[in-house]
Amino acid sequence: EVQLVESGGGLVKPGGSLRLSCAASGFTFSNAWMNWVRQAPGKGLEWVGRIKTKADTGTSDYAAPVKDRFTISRDDSKNTLYLQMSSLKTEDTAVYYCATGAATGLGYWGQGTLVTVSS
Amino acid sequence: DIVMTQSPDSLAVSLGERATINCKSSQSVLYSSNNRNYLAWYQQKPGQPPKLLIYWASARESGVPDRFSGNGSGTDFTLTISSLQAEDVAVYYCQQYYSTPPTFGGGTKVEIK
Repeated sequence: EVQLVESGGGLVKPGGSLRLSCAASGFTFSNAWMNWVRQAPGKGLEWVGRIKTKADTGTSDYAAPVKDRFTISRDDSKNTLYLQMSSLKTEDTAVYYCATGAATGLGYWGQGTLVTVSS
Repeated sequence: DIVMTQSPDSLAVSLGERATINCKSSQSVLYSSNNRNYLAWYQQKPGQPPKLLIYWASARESGVPDRFSGNGSGTDFTLTISSLQAEDVAVYYCQQYYSTPPTFGGGTKVEIK
């Protein structure tokens, strides 16, 4: 059974940093493109970014609102995806989901972790 | 970026009746080399993460009931629930994954009339 479990969310002040983790199991993590998607309270879904497999260059892409502030990385030896967030803004407040996916949509999602940016 | 526009924002349908959600993309999401539309539909129930229903615009994900169907090509797509069940109350999103960044529609809330 595929499982994605996010952790690391919490309350952080504007300008602060936070690192989210997503522990994966039940599939070959190293073969999966991995994504982060967020959802502000009461709002819709917003793609944050993704990281390709090492076989597909291992590079990352980001949405414009987070580019140069967020960094996605992966540790295939630990089956874990990361989202390093810095220079956080109040508008980054959201539930952050990790999700697998590439050519057939985002197939598996975690339950999400809440990040609240507030003074 | 490709803009995805869903309509309506919400709809109320009687149990057993048909529900239709529309999704329009600002440019074509049809990849000519394989003739596939890079369009997915998701269902999100309250307090839960989204769930993939449809990919390639019309391919049903494993385990998804056949009352859910997707249609369309190019820039215009629909998700149809042929006979609405109580458990289908949710918000539905379309998403294009033709180009980066992948973008979502604003969502359509489906309720029971």
